[in-house]
Amino acid sequence: GNSVTQMEGPVTLSEEAFLTINCTYTATGYPSLFWYVQYPGEGLQLLLKATKADDKGSNKGFEATYRKETTSFHLEKGSVQVSDSAVYFCALAQNKFYFGSGTKLNVKP
Amino acid sequence: NAGVTQTPKFQVLKTGQSMTLQCAQDMNHEYMSWYRQDPGMGLRLIHYSVGAGITDQGEVPNGYNVSRSTTEDFPLRLLSAAPSQTSVYFCASSYQTPLGGGNSGANVLTFGAGSRLTVL
Repeated sequence: GNSVTQMEGPVTLSEEAFLTINCTYTATGYPSLFWYVQYPGEGLQLLLKATKADDKGSNKGFEATYRKETTSFHLEKGSVQVSDSAVYFCALAQNKFYFGSGTKLNVKP
Repeated sequence: NAGVTQTPKFQVLKTGQSMTLQCAQDMNHEYMSWYRQDPGMGLRLIHYSVGAGITDQGEVPNGYNVSRSTTEDFPLRLLSAAPSQTSVYFCASSYQTPLGGGNSGANVLTFGAGSRLTVL
């Protein structure tokens, strides 16, 4: 069945460091792929999405590329800020929505 | 545009009590769903609906009931609360259902702010 696997956290970085959060998925065909972000005490918000192979989703300096050959959708940001501290969820949509377990990011000044 | 509104934000129940978590959306979304979020377990789907009058079970439906009498509302009922139901609950909706494998991108989920439930 469909599933999403993302790296366990927490991930702790210093401000301006490079961020990668790995996400791989299992699905048939071409699902839509998403990254959601959850700030403390809030619900999840869409960060970015991609709907077909080789698409790159981007928002607020974050990027992720839909890689069909490696079934991956890794999240990257070149220079993180303290305000990026949150929990990040990778997800796919195909018949249902499937979420990864979330990766907590802590950015220190 | 209020988006997805959940009430209450916080609730404390005693074991065996019943209650309803309310969810309303004003975006004319066809798809609505309930998740619970527990530490280390991510999001788990409880129930979902692809339109008024249609509901189905998710991963963890036991102990919960839902109904969808209107497009806007999707209440979650706890019939007899248990400590294992202590969790944060999220309602989420989408304009398009993801059924059929469609990937038009119109199936982006919009989440409510969450309801924190404690069962003693």
